[in-house]
Order: sequence, then structure tokens, then C-alpha cells
Amino acid sequence: SQELEQSPQSLIVQEGKNLTINCTSSKTLYGLYWYKQKYGEGLIFLMMLQKGGEEKSHEKITAKLDEKKQQSSLHITASQPSHAGIYLCGADSFLRGGADGLTFGKGTHLIIQP
Amino acid sequence: KAGVTQTPRYLIKTRGQQVTLSCSPISGHRSVSWYQQTPGQGLQFLFEYFSETQRNKGNFPGRFSGRQFSNSRSEMNVSTLELGDSALYLCASSPRSPGQGMEKLFFGSGTQLSVL
Repeated sequence: SQELEQSPQSLIVQEGKNLTINCTSSKTLYGLYWYKQKYGEGLIFLMMLQKGGEEKSHEKITAKLDEKKQQSSLHITASQPSHAGIYLCGADSFLRGGADGLTFGKGTHLIIQP
Repeated sequence: KAGVTQTPRYLIKTRGQQVTLSCSPISGHRSVSWYQQTPGQGLQFLFEYFSETQRNKGNFPGRFSGRQFSNSRSEMNVSTLELGDSALYLCASSPRSPGQGMEKLFFGSGTQLSVL
């Protein structure tokens, strides 16, 4: 089965600074989702990357998919308190011919210090 | 459009009991999937339903079951509860039909289950 490893596990960043979260897959990445979660709540969709080399941006968040490296990165520019939360990457097993739903990484806990 | 609605929001049960959780997907979505989230294991796939049929199932014991109704609403049931079943149970709906490519999953706020 596919495993996703996220790094770092936790991150404390001063407000206004940039940061990057990485998601590395044990198998070929055919596509990747990025979600954000507030503690004890549901997941909020951020980005969906469908092919190698794809890069998407929304407001101050940019995500890239490097298929060859089996890796995706999420970059936040000029961080704000609203960016705090848990960031999760997820890969769809269906795209690999599997039937295990989405496989998620363990998440990166982001804290923004004022 | 209303989002994915999960009820109840919180639930406290004792070992050996059974529990039923409910999920109402976004109108028009026929695919509903369930996930269990714990601090140790993270998010794990339970099962997926499409048009009242279970299409996929994760690696969970038979105590975990689910169903989907004709209006796409879904329920999951856990029988003979164990302490380790304490978790946040998340439901997600999607407009994706079987055989289609990537499609966004919309998650509910979850049901926090505590087993004492």
C-alpha cells in the first residue's frame, strides 16, 4: 500500500514569514490532494494536483507536484494567524488501480506566532 | 448549497455498546466515504458507497459496517465498541462516479466518539 510521509511534523513560524511543507510518497504519485484541518474538525480542501510538474496557487498558498521525486510541496508566503492548523496531503488509491480510498499523511501541525 | 452534515457531533458510549453515525452528503453527490482519525494512526479509510452499493472497504474489522440510502444519505455502525474505537469519524461526499478521475472530496465536521 502507498504511504505518505509529511515533513516537518510540526512547525512554528513567526507571522509574516514564509514556510514549506513536504509530502513524500512511497510509490508513484498520480495525483495529490492538500487539505487543511482545524483541531477536531473536518478537512477543508486546498488544492488538487493531477499531473507531474503541475503547480497551483490560491491566495498565499502554492502547491507543486514533482512526480519523478514522488513528492509534493506546499508553500505559504507571508504567513498569517489564519494559516494555523493541520495540513494533510492525500493520494487517491483509485488512480493506481487500488480501492483504498484516499491515503493521508500524518499531517503537519502549523503554529503561527504573532 | 449546504455542506456535508454529520450527526451527532459528539457521542459518548461504553465498551460493548453499539453506535450509529449519520452523514448527509451535498445535494447531488452520490459518492460517500468514511474515515477514522486517531492521534496514533491518523486518517484511515473505512469504506466508500456509491448509489447504495459499497464499492471499497478499508482494513477494518467486521464490527464496522455501513450503508447508503436511496437519497445518498449514509450511516455507519460500530458494534461491540472497544476503547480503541475512540476517534473522530469523518464523512466525505464527492460528485465522482466510478471510473472517473480525481475529484474533490468535501468533508463534514465529523463525529467525535469517545468509548469509556
